[in-house]
Amino acid sequence: NAGVTQTPKFRILKIGQSMTLQCAQDMNHNYMYWYRQDPGMGLKLIYYSVGAGITDKGEVPNGYNVSRSTTEDFPLRLELAAPSQTSVYFCASNPWGGASYNEQFFGPGTRLTVL
Amino acid sequence: AQSVSQHNHHVILSEAASLELGCNYSYGGTVNLFWYVQYPGQHLQLLLKYFSGDPLVKGIKGFEAEFIKSKFSFNLRKPSVQWSDTAEYFCAVNSGKLIFGAGTRLAVHP
Repeated sequence: NAGVTQTPKFRILKIGQSMTLQCAQDMNHNYMYWYRQDPGMGLKLIYYSVGAGITDKGEVPNGYNVSRSTTEDFPLRLELAAPSQTSVYFCASNPWGGASYNEQFFGPGTRLTVL
Repeated sequence: AQSVSQHNHHVILSEAASLELGCNYSYGGTVNLFWYVQYPGQHLQLLLKYFSGDPLVKGIKGFEAEFIKSKFSFNLRKPSVQWSDTAEYFCAVNSGKLIFGAGTRLAVHP
């Protein structure tokens, strides 16, 4: 299994541009998550999904959109990039969410810079 | 709101020194607790987790953590660190959603 994969690894955007961060998992996990990691701030949840066709906001959803058309894929869309969105983005998945003892499996991350 | 506090943002140790990283959380109900590690240039990996039973849990690479319910703490320990332990360590609490602490950067010097 490849686990959780993310593309691209690095990207530089200009203010106002849009892009989609791709995330895929081959473990047939129901739950998928998008986090952003800022220095000294830990990871903040942007959006999550409990299954195909179902998504919900996390702690910091503004400026982002997601979709979940299949179990495997969970893309994150930035419509109008802003410097405040400069961050490292991690996608994660686990088989069961909620108050679960199951660990989350993380992808390698996408480092995004908005200039 | 639930929160996770990691007391040390940066820790510098020499090889063979002992390590203890503090983690406290604010939630009174049932929680599942995790420590994740992020080696330089890599993604987060699970070190260990606690969900029930023995409050002293052992993880990979000689790490262990103790859950003290009365103190809302889940501190990470290792008796003797190695240079390869240089990484960022995150405590996380799952009480419905996974909440991360801000992380502790550990640098181990040979």
